[in-house]
Amino acid sequence: AAGVIQSPRHLIKEKRETATLKCYPIPRHDTVYWYQQGPGQDPQFLISFYEKMQSDKGSIPDRFSAQQFSDYHSELNMSSLELGDSALYFCASANQGLYNEQFFGPGTRLTVL
Amino acid sequence: DQQVKQNSPSLSVQEGRISILNCDYTNSMFDYFLWYKKYPAEGPTFLISISSIKDKNEDGRFTVFLNKSAKHLSLHIVPSQPGDSAVYFCAATVYNQGGKLIFGQGTELSVKP
Repeated sequence: AAGVIQSPRHLIKEKRETATLKCYPIPRHDTVYWYQQGPGQDPQFLISFYEKMQSDKGSIPDRFSAQQFSDYHSELNMSSLELGDSALYFCASANQGLYNEQFFGPGTRLTVL
Repeated sequence: DQQVKQNSPSLSVQEGRISILNCDYTNSMFDYFLWYKKYPAEGPTFLISISSIKDKNEDGRFTVFLNKSAKHLSLHIVPSQPGDSAVYFCAATVYNQGGKLIFGQGTELSVKP
């Protein structure tokens, strides 16, 4: 079965650079969630989209923005990167009516030097 | 303010025995509880969920029990296998908030042959 795809899997950036993370949900899933997991921490919700509209926002810095496109893939744009942005970034997808079954991608490991 | 708590950072179990992972919560508005299994540098893998109106859900070797009055749930794995060794996260969704997951801190399960 098709799973959630994230790219790139690994990304190394310098401070103050920008990064774009991509997420391709499971086919026919209409909702995408982004989470950040710092070292030794539990995943923290950043932002979500339902039918291409932002549906909820968590602890996402103003330096970050995201959107969901017409093909339902989503991109997380991160600017003015800081050392503290180094983390695993996960995308999850679900059908809005079945959000009790969220499926995660493999994650993007972002390292800011 | 940790709304979902997994108070045991680690658990060690013998192969073939039962593993019991515990989770406590504080928010009465949680409508679904989900369990995920996670290997290092990989995305969380969905295992099983339970609605807040149920007290038990079973899927193969995995059973989740919910005690609403105690605001407590547990995941039972029977029989435990070495391949079950991973970090297990308990997560919850808030009613009518679009399905963002609120995670516990995780419990690292080690199943010894």
